[in-house]
Amino acid sequence: AQKITQTQPGMFMQEKEAVTLDCTYDTSDPSYGLFWYKQPSSGEMIFLIYQGSYDQQNATEGRYSLNFQKARKSANLVISASQLGDSAMYFCAMRTNSGAGSYQLTFGKGTKLSVIP
Amino acid sequence: GAGVSQSPSNKVTEKGKDVELRCDPISGHTALYWYRQSLGQGLEFLIYFQGNSAPDKSGLPSDRFSAERTGGSVSTLTIQRTQQEDSAVYLCASSLTSAGFSYNEQFFGPGTRLTVL
Repeated sequence: AQKITQTQPGMFMQEKEAVTLDCTYDTSDPSYGLFWYKQPSSGEMIFLIYQGSYDQQNATEGRYSLNFQKARKSANLVISASQLGDSAMYFCAMRTNSGAGSYQLTFGKGTKLSVIP
Repeated sequence: GAGVSQSPSNKVTEKGKDVELRCDPISGHTALYWYRQSLGQGLEFLIYFQGNSAPDKSGLPSDRFSAERTGGSVSTLTIQRTQQEDSAVYLCASSLTSAGFSYNEQFFGPGTRLTVL
């Protein structure tokens, strides 16, 4: 069974500082994808970044980067120069093949990030 | 708009009544997923559609839950004889294909908040 663990229920960060959100995963599938989504108070799930299990380099998207350590089964999200607008819930998710042709996402419980001025 | 849309945005119903939740995926997206987000359980997969067929219904919590998709587009999630534990936000997501071996983001709709009194 697939499992995603996010150990930080909530975090406070000073504006302009870098922040790391932790994510560990468990799967026996050799092929999988890891995603980070942002969910502001409006409720919409916003895709941030993707890392494939066979990708050799860590993914980066603007201020977001993913610290992928395959041997440790971790996929931490790093947000550089945090902004007030980064305050939201952040979900780590893993996509694997369910065996029925479905590639649904398995989500962690999320981390609530609050950026303060 | 070009994104995933869901209706209604909010639904309040009485215990025992049936409800229908609608999802309009992004045009051309063949894969469609329903998820449920609740305080106690986090984000859970419910059902997956590829075209009009649902090869993976493993996440549906009981036989009171059903879903269909017509014309490879619109999907309806139906909950019969609603219970208070059905109260949650129901999220729909679509992706271009169901391919799991490449970057294939799931785009989420804004969700339907269901409250069962």
